[in-house]
Amino acid sequence: QVQLQESGPGLVKPSETLSLTCTVSGDSVISYYWSWIRQPPGRGLDWIGYFFHHGTTNYNPSLKSRVSMSVDTSKNQFSLNLTSVTAADTAVYYCARFRRPDYYMDIWGQGTLVTVSS
Amino acid sequence: QSALTQPASVSGSPGQSITISCTGTYSDVGGYNFVSWYQLRPGKAPKLMISEVTTRPSGVPDRFSGSKSGNTASLTISGLQAEDEANYYCSSYTNSGTLVVFGGGTKLTVL
Repeated sequence: QVQLQESGPGLVKPSETLSLTCTVSGDSVISYYWSWIRQPPGRGLDWIGYFFHHGTTNYNPSLKSRVSMSVDTSKNQFSLNLTSVTAADTAVYYCARFRRPDYYMDIWGQGTLVTVSS
Repeated sequence: QSALTQPASVSGSPGQSITISCTGTYSDVGGYNFVSWYQLRPGKAPKLMISEVTTRPSGVPDRFSGSKSGNTASLTISGLQAEDEANYYCSSYTNSGTLVVFGGGTKLTVL
């Protein structure tokens, strides 16, 4: 049974970098595409992007200049970095397994709330 | 403002059927069969309910079904149960550059 778990700081200061990790259990991080999605308080879901371990990435154009994703195959983890954060980046961040070429997320983590505040 | 339009809320009594709509454009819902539906409940990981418009993953009750007509996709839940109370989000591939777009979510209340 595949499970995902997000981890990282719950509080980030404005202008700093938000860094989150997603630990994959029950599957190999090199076998699939992986994605990040976020949900600001009281709002809907927003697509952040996906990546594949050999370097293929696709980021939401609205975040592209600030976002990067990477993988640590030795720990079976993948990560999200979002630079120069503002209060608008406050959200619950989800990691999910992304199924291409059909464009859906079949396994999700529980999500982690990240608040941007000084 | 979300790219796909969903009703903010729907409700139904146990045993009844409800339908949640998801309206987009030909750039997303209408042009591709890549619509999916997710169930979000507090404290739980989001759950995929429907993929590729009509495909129900293993473990999802057959009370859940998906369909599409033109630029509008729909999720129908028949034989409503109390455990179905949740927020439901639709999603679609889009050729606009964002790749994946979501609806604003629909809160389902089982009366």
